Amino acid sequence: DAKTTQPPSMDCAEGRAANLPCNHSTISGNEYVYWYRQIHSQGPQYIIHGLKNNETNEMASLIITEDRKSSTLILPHATLRDTAVYYCIVRAPLYNQGGKLIFGQGTELSVKP
Amino acid sequence: SAVISQKPSRDICQRGTSLTIQCQVDSQVTMMFWYRQQPGQSLTLIATANQGSEATYESGFVIDKFPISRPNLTFSTLTVSNMSPEDSSIYLCSVRVAGSTDTQYFGPGTRLTVL
Repeated sequence: DAKTTQPPSMDCAEGRAANLPCNHSTISGNEYVYWYRQIHSQGPQYIIHGLKNNETNEMASLIITEDRKSSTLILPHATLRDTAVYYCIVRAPLYNQGGKLIFGQGTELSVKP
Repeated sequence: SAVISQKPSRDICQRGTSLTIQCQVDSQVTMMFWYRQQPGQSLTLIATANQGSEATYESGFVIDKFPISRPNLTFSTLTVSNMSPEDSSIYLCSVRVAGSTDTQYFGPGTRLTVL
């Protein structure tokens, strides 16, 4: 599985957009980029995923560069409840080792009033 | 999505004993996984629970220490055997839902403390 690199921590002001970067320079053409977050003492929560195109849902937007070597998760209007550890994961396709999710260290996002 | 429950939610155990953690899902799933999260660390995949056959373990994890069962499509158990304080962790069940975009969901976790 391709490895990801994320900053260990970031701060964001409440109400502002939180932009969380992720580098995945060794990603293969058929590997997906997934984002999860883990609020303290809870199980990880799925946020969004994408392959090539930018994606948006009710929680966030995912911007993937054209060369797919990096991506950015955008929380458009961060709230205090968005304080969590955010994990960027490159997942192999299902036919490759069952598409296991392998977690890195993530980015600890602190949203401040 | 899927609603995943785990029992117990937390436990305190004595070294040398064993604990079995249960994972129940509200819908049929294609795959079930068990993860461990040691204090202050990220999640580590222990194994993939296969229905009706032996689990597939990741490097560093063995069946004798972490026996896993999956008797049907919605239920699995993980046993932590012969526990030591180093086994103190959060153990998380995770599932991939059939018919979805193959998204994986996580249970609330079982917080285990070994004295």
